[in-house]
Order: sequence, then C-alpha cells, then structure tokens
Amino acid sequence: SQTIHQWPATLVQPVGSPLSLECTVEGTSNPNLYWYRQAAGRGLQLLFYSVGIGQISSEVPQNLSASRPQDRQFILSSKKLLLSDSGFYLCAWSVSRGNTDTQYFGPGTRLTVL
Amino acid sequence: AQSVSQHNHHVILSEAASLELGCNYSYGGTVNLFWYVQYPGQHLQLLLKYFSGDPLVKGIKGFEAEFIKSKFSFNLRKPSVQWSDTAEYFCAVNRAGTGGFKTIFGAGTRLFVKA
Repeated sequence: SQTIHQWPATLVQPVGSPLSLECTVEGTSNPNLYWYRQAAGRGLQLLFYSVGIGQISSEVPQNLSASRPQDRQFILSSKKLLLSDSGFYLCAWSVSRGNTDTQYFGPGTRLTVL
Repeated sequence: AQSVSQHNHHVILSEAASLELGCNYSYGGTVNLFWYVQYPGQHLQLLLKYFSGDPLVKGIKGFEAEFIKSKFSFNLRKPSVQWSDTAEYFCAVNRAGTGGFKTIFGAGTRLFVKA
C-alpha cells in the first residue's frame, strides 16, 4: 500500500533563515505531488504541484519554491523565511486515471517563523 | 474562477442528531467531488468521493453524500452523529485539465458533537 511521509513534523525557525521541508511517497511510481498550506478557516491553498521529475507548477507567487529531485520526493524550500510563512504545510500525492484523480495527504509540518 | 463554497463554518450538534453539511462548486463540465475529514491532531483523510454513476455516494463511518448536478452541490450527510465525528470537514472538487488535476478545497466546516 502507499504511504506518504513528511518531515519534520514541527519546525520553529527565525525570520530570514532558510527552509527545507521534505515529502516522500512509497508504494507507487510517477505520482502527482502537491504542496498545500492550510490556514484556519480558509481551507487548503495549493502552492505547487508536480506531474513528474523536474516539473513544477506554481500556483501563487510567494517566498517559497519547490523541487522534485526524484520521482517520489518533493521538497518545499525558502531562502529567507518571512513571518507570513508560518502555517501548516501539507504534501499530497495522487495517480490520475483517465478523468479521475484522488489526492491523499501526508501528516503535515507545522512551521512557526519567529 | 473556480471555487468551492461550504455554507457553514461551525456546526454544533448533540449526539444522535442528523448532520447535513452543504457544499457548492462553480466548476462547469465533468467534475470529481470529494469530502475529506481532519480529526483533531490527525492528518487529512478521504471520507468519500464521486466520479460518476450513482449520485448517492456512501463513504466510511456511515457518511454519505449526494451529487446534484443541477444545483452544483455535493452535500454530506449522516443520519446520526457520534461524539467521535467531531472534526473539520472539507469539500473538494477537481477535473482534468492541461498539466494535470488541480483540486480546489472549500474553507472547511468545523463540527463539534456534544456527548
């Protein structure tokens, strides 16, 4: 069966420091991968998605970037964190079949920028 | 722009009460519809999904949802809630497009069930 891992689970970083959040998926190949930010009362905001290695699409302009160095690895990064980057970051994977696509979520990373 | 609206941000019910959470979307054409649930301290889990066929979909833990195409709605229901149903519920919609699928989520509904 497929599993998705995210680490770290929680992170406290100072303003201006770099960021690297990692997401890996097991048990499937060539998944679609996604990074979301979840804010209380505002649902999930899609940040980046990737349909293959090295293929990244950005949904919103921001201080963050994403990379996919391997088929089942998705990394969310920042060179300099802002206070507004604090939040709960979720990684998800899916495998599209025809006109259908179901996303499955990892446990998330709680990021606090001080 | 495509959007998903969940009518209630907070719902408080007593155990054994019936539940209906509203969800409307603005996509046109053929869509895939989902309800996800996030229990306190846990990650987001798929509750049920609709792709095609019978518009009444049954999911885990006694939940069901009905797709009404003419109303662009996908409301979640449960005839008798339990304290353990306390969670946040998210409606989501996607469809195929260039570059893959983009899933749009509603803002979520926090359900609190009183014992």
